[in-house]
Amino acid sequence: NAGVTQTPKFRVLKTGQSMTLLCAQDMNHEYMYWYRQDPGMGLRLIHYSVGEGTTAKGEVPDGYNVSRLKKQNFLLGLESAAPSQTSVYFCASSYFPRNGYTFGSGTRLTVV
Amino acid sequence: GESVGLHLPTLSVQEGDNSIINCAYSNSASDYFIWYKQESGKGPQFIIDIRSNMDKRQGQRVTVLLNKTVKHLSLQIAATQPGDSAVYFCAETGGGSEKLVFGKGTKLTVNP
Repeated sequence: NAGVTQTPKFRVLKTGQSMTLLCAQDMNHEYMYWYRQDPGMGLRLIHYSVGEGTTAKGEVPDGYNVSRLKKQNFLLGLESAAPSQTSVYFCASSYFPRNGYTFGSGTRLTVV
Repeated sequence: GESVGLHLPTLSVQEGDNSIINCAYSNSASDYFIWYKQESGKGPQFIIDIRSNMDKRQGQRVTVLLNKTVKHLSLQIAATQPGDSAVYFCAETGGGSEKLVFGKGTKLTVNP
């Protein structure tokens, strides 16, 4: 099994450009999450989903949108990228939070 | 809001020594705790978990201790090896929460 797959792994954007990060999981997990991780800091939750067709805001949702049209995919969109969104983005999935999360390997995004 | 935190941001140990990484939590409703290991350039990986009905759980070279009275969690690594060098995060959930709350992380460096 692939687990949690994130694409792309690296991306450089110009300020104002848009892009979509894709997270795919093959474990039939209900819960999916998007985090950002900045140098010297922990994981900050951007948005999450508790099932197909649902989304909810985390602690740092501004500037991001998400969609969960299919159970296995969770998309994170940046409509107008800003330098402050330069970060490493991690996707995670879980059958239920008390089962822990499985994380992807991350997407390193630089906005110039 | 309630959060999970770590006492020490960095820890440096000699190869072969035992390591102890500490974590404090403030949510009295928390009933499930996890430790994750994040190596450089990778996503966090599950190490060990513990539920609130236990005060100790052992894995291979790792032990997690839970003290609910003082809301404290620790990760002990026996005979620390260079491959243990990483950032370690504690996380907690409980009270029907839909997500884990992560601490900021402790960077463990193992010196040969």
